[in-house]
Amino acid sequence: GEDVEQSLFLSVREGDSSVINCTYTDSSSTYLYWYKQEPGAGLQLLTYIFSNMDMKQDQRLTVLLNKKDKHLSLRIADTQTGDSAIYFCAESKGFQKLVFGTGTRLLVSP
Amino acid sequence: GAVVSQHPSRVICKSGTSVKIECRSLDFQATTMFWYRQFPKQSLMLMATSNEGSKATYEQGVEKDKFLINHASLTLSTLTVTSAHPEDSSFYICSARFVSSTDTQYFGPGTRLTVL
Repeated sequence: GEDVEQSLFLSVREGDSSVINCTYTDSSSTYLYWYKQEPGAGLQLLTYIFSNMDMKQDQRLTVLLNKKDKHLSLRIADTQTGDSAIYFCAESKGFQKLVFGTGTRLLVSP
Repeated sequence: GAVVSQHPSRVICKSGTSVKIECRSLDFQATTMFWYRQFPKQSLMLMATSNEGSKATYEQGVEKDKFLINHASLTLSTLTVTSAHPEDSSFYICSARFVSSTDTQYFGPGTRLTVL
């Protein structure tokens, strides 16, 4: 994930909003994705955003994209303890490859 | 929909043996699958792109004779770790590309390989 950076850790209280940030480098990426990984499990696709969009909302999830600054964020409203996991952003590269960020560990306390 | 399975979920083997990991797309056909490796508390590292009916494309630094990939059908790709050594111990995750307007990859649950 050398091209895509994320903060390593975020701690919030249950019911608060969580904002996970991501910076990427390839301005030609068509899609940007957010994945969730629980301990010992694979990756679950949460949401994605097309590069010509600024914002996408899907229930508790809001994705913001600032293409000029190559900055992507994921906001989780009303964060629950079940949201505790590692969150990866990913950008699409040529030949359908994905480059993943370093991952942000979200800890939600009661 | 778009479910990907992996088998086995966990395997422990002795040094020098070979281990095969299967990746299946259960409800869609995948001409392209990907194999990733993940070390503890790290991100996913793409190892290779598996193309149905043709040779896999390996990322730089990944030994193709060490990690054999076969994609014989539109729903199955296999990764064989040959002559495994303790440094091959890792979490291996596959994904399958769902051909659509978004070209999304769906991931398997991963396989934990421990080489003694």
